[in-house]
Amino acid sequence: EAGVAQSPRYKIIEKRQSVAFWCNPISGHATLYWYQQILGQGPKLLIQFQNNGVVDDSQLPKDRFSAERLKGVDSTLKIQPAKLEDSAVYLCASSLALRHNSPLHFGNGTRLTVT
Amino acid sequence: SQKIEQNSEALNIQEGKTATLTCNYTNYSPAYLQWYRQDPGRGPVFLLLIRENEKEKRKERLKVTFDTTLKQSLFHITASQPADSATYLCALGMSGAGSYQLTFGKGTKLSVIP
Repeated sequence: EAGVAQSPRYKIIEKRQSVAFWCNPISGHATLYWYQQILGQGPKLLIQFQNNGVVDDSQLPKDRFSAERLKGVDSTLKIQPAKLEDSAVYLCASSLALRHNSPLHFGNGTRLTVT
Repeated sequence: SQKIEQNSEALNIQEGKTATLTCNYTNYSPAYLQWYRQDPGRGPVFLLLIRENEKEKRKERLKVTFDTTLKQSLFHITASQPADSATYLCALGMSGAGSYQLTFGKGTKLSVIP
């Protein structure tokens, strides 16, 4: 099966600019996640979708971050305006279902550098 | 406060030996625990899942234990190979109202020396 696709692979922007990341999950996977991974840290959950509805966005900095999942398939994550501390790898993951025995399948991420 | 601690940032072992990685947690009550492998520049890849009522799980050269009394999971790689060199992440899974969350530790970078 094709894996989780993410683009772009790398992005460099200046602070206060905006940026968007795109994710295409594995076909048939109902649950989609965005994680932020700062260098040397584990992934931190930003937002979780079940089909096209938000299940959990409690750790999403909503003053600058937004995400949507159109038609329950592809998803975009946006940052506006970016801060220096947003420099990180943004990982998208999907799973077959919203239950504990459904492992996450990750994409290779977008590495964002904010200067 | 809630914490997930993986034993060390880096672990070096000789090829052929057994690597043992530790994941300790505080102030969590996970229903299950997962282990992932992450290579540089790549996303994490799922390895094993163990439930709170399971003591041990095996898959080929991998073995995971889960002790909810000690609040600890051990991850073993037997007959380690240089290709096993990677960062290994433990993740705690907890159910909430209509959802479940997977919270990751920082990871342990394993280097297997030929």
